[in-house]
Amino acid sequence: DIQLTQSPSFLSASVGDRVTITCRASQDISSYLAWYQQKPGKAPKLLIYAASTLQSGVPSRFSGSGSGTEFTLTISSLQPEDSAAYYCQQLRSYPLTFGGGTKVEIK
Amino acid sequence: EVQLLESGGNLVQPGGSLRLSCAASGFTFSSFAMNWVRQAPGKGLEWVSSVLGGGSGTYYADSVKGRFTISRDNSKNTLYLHMNSLRAEDTAVYHCVKGGADGNGWGAYGMDVWGQGTAVTVSS
Repeated sequence: DIQLTQSPSFLSASVGDRVTITCRASQDISSYLAWYQQKPGKAPKLLIYAASTLQSGVPSRFSGSGSGTEFTLTISSLQPEDSAAYYCQQLRSYPLTFGGGTKVEIK
Repeated sequence: EVQLLESGGNLVQPGGSLRLSCAASGFTFSSFAMNWVRQAPGKGLEWVSSVLGGGSGTYYADSVKGRFTISRDNSKNTLYLHMNSLRAEDTAVYHCVKGGADGNGWGAYGMDVWGQGTAVTVSS
């Protein structure tokens, strides 16, 4: 099974800060990586697919990069509404797996 | 508008069975892979199962293999999850999730629409 290691598990940043979350895969997954945002009590929302493609309707301050085993999600200018948990997911092979999540808090 | 509406969640005793349903609308249901993803209280996301558009390709997490069965009725635009031999560790909110495409490469498009979920509690 492909393991995904997300870091950090928690981060606290100020409005306007640039924030980066890392996701490392235990083996090469090409670009079969997606990022999701989940707010408390809500269903997850797709932000990025194919490692770097922005889902329709997602603000352009979100971006993804990477391929192979190393990936990043960047929020270029953190906004109050970005307070949420973020998860990466590999869809290269079954069983599909998620990273452990990163909780983003606004200072 | 694309919508997924889950139902069937309930309190069930260990060893019991349950069937979850997901009614889909707003898209051509048979043209997309569909999935179940669960989230235990206070925990992260866990993929449970996937089924391709035609219904013949099915995939399961090791934790549910042999106990859960995913199926779909494309004539009714409905996805199902039949859950047997339920355990306490199956307690979670179960989300019905639409894949971004169909076929073996659907994963390149992620999981683009999520239902709000239905709660399953396994307890005596």
